[in-house]
Amino acid sequence: GQNIDQPTEMTATEGAIVQINCTYQTSGFNGLFWYQQHAGEAPTFLSYNVLDGLEEKGRFSSFLSRSKGYSYLLLKELQMKDSASYLCAVRDSNYQLIWGAGTKLIIKP
Amino acid sequence: IAGITQAPTSQILAAGRRMTLRCTQDMRHNAMYWYRQDLGLGLRLIHYSNTAGTTGKGEVPDGYSVSRANTDDFPLTLASAVPSQTSVYFCASSDSESDTQYFGPGTRLTVL
Repeated sequence: GQNIDQPTEMTATEGAIVQINCTYQTSGFNGLFWYQQHAGEAPTFLSYNVLDGLEEKGRFSSFLSRSKGYSYLLLKELQMKDSASYLCAVRDSNYQLIWGAGTKLIIKP
Repeated sequence: IAGITQAPTSQILAAGRRMTLRCTQDMRHNAMYWYRQDLGLGLRLIHYSNTAGTTGKGEVPDGYSVSRANTDDFPLTLASAVPSQTSVYFCASSDSESDTQYFGPGTRLTVL
């Protein structure tokens, strides 16, 4: 079966750095996405990785290792508005997105 | 209209009733999708359409039907609602099946 694993919840302090991990087992791989979802709102696109390595976009970076079936999302200089759920999704061989359950990130002052 | 809109925002429905959730996008995207999101679970694909006139089944299609008569609209119909269909429903679109998906604001549906 296909499976995406990420921690259910994480807590971090404003101004700090946090890393949210995602491991996956899917039938084929055509890219990995990270989305942010604030409570009661729609998911919004953050990043996309298809090749191994680090993609940096402002305070957010995403890393991929295809051989390990592993990705992480790194958030720097945390702000209170970063409190949200972060969703990891892998596009499989049928070009369908397989979604993790999401990691709820709580930012404390 | 900017992006994707969904209607209604929320709905309470009696079991056995028929319900259509509406989704419209103005980005001229070819591909559209319907997901449901339940607490503790990842988004699950119900149905999708890679281009106007075609549709396909996702992971959880039973009890749902879709149509794609034109590029902009992708309605989702529950023929006879059951309580297990209580969920938040998101519509999404992308330029093609290999591109990033963008989501509508969602419909919160409660079936009693």
